[in-house]
Amino acid sequence: DAKTTQPPSMDCAEGRAANLPCNHSTISGNEYVYWYRQIHSQGPQYIIHGLKNNETNEMASLIITEDRKSSTLILPHATLRDTAVYYCIVRVAPGRVSNYKLTFGKGTLLTVNP
Amino acid sequence: NAGVTQTPKFQVLKTGQSMTLQCAQDMNHEYMSWYRQDPGMGLRLIHYSVGAGITDQGEVPNGYNVSRSTTEDFPLRLLSAAPSQTSVYFCASVGRHTEAFFGQGTRLTVV
Repeated sequence: DAKTTQPPSMDCAEGRAANLPCNHSTISGNEYVYWYRQIHSQGPQYIIHGLKNNETNEMASLIITEDRKSSTLILPHATLRDTAVYYCIVRVAPGRVSNYKLTFGKGTLLTVNP
Repeated sequence: NAGVTQTPKFQVLKTGQSMTLQCAQDMNHEYMSWYRQDPGMGLRLIHYSVGAGITDQGEVPNGYNVSRSTTEDFPLRLLSAAPSQTSVYFCASVGRHTEAFFGQGTRLTVV
């Protein structure tokens, strides 16, 4: 799996958008970008994933650059409950056995301030 | 539908004791895995299984054993606990076309 690089920490004001960057310059054509978050030492929680098009769900938006070497997770209106460690992971397409493995880096600690 | 269930939530062991961390999932997922997380670190893969009867080592397998006799259960065994195994342990399951689901963790302290 491709390696990812994320800033160790970021701050955001409550109600503002939080933009979390991730570099994955060695990503392969069949690898997806996944985002998980871990709130206060709970089990990681899936947020969103994408291949090359921008994606949006009820939790967040994912913007992937045209060359797919980086992406940004956007929490449009951050709340205090969004304070967590956010992990960016690249994985091969769902359905392949090697898709099952997740390689975690240290992630980005997002602190949402009142 | 309970998802991924880990037991116990907390455990204190003495050095040299053995124990089994339990993990069960009710989503009929093929893939299950165990991770450990140490303070300030990301999750590191201990062992994984791609189906009943099939297991393999991850990044940090030493000191741990696993088995997968059923699709639902994937226990992690510590044969002789050491202080270096003090950590938070997470079990995860993944289906063929799903994202990963994690349990809530087992906080283990070895004294």
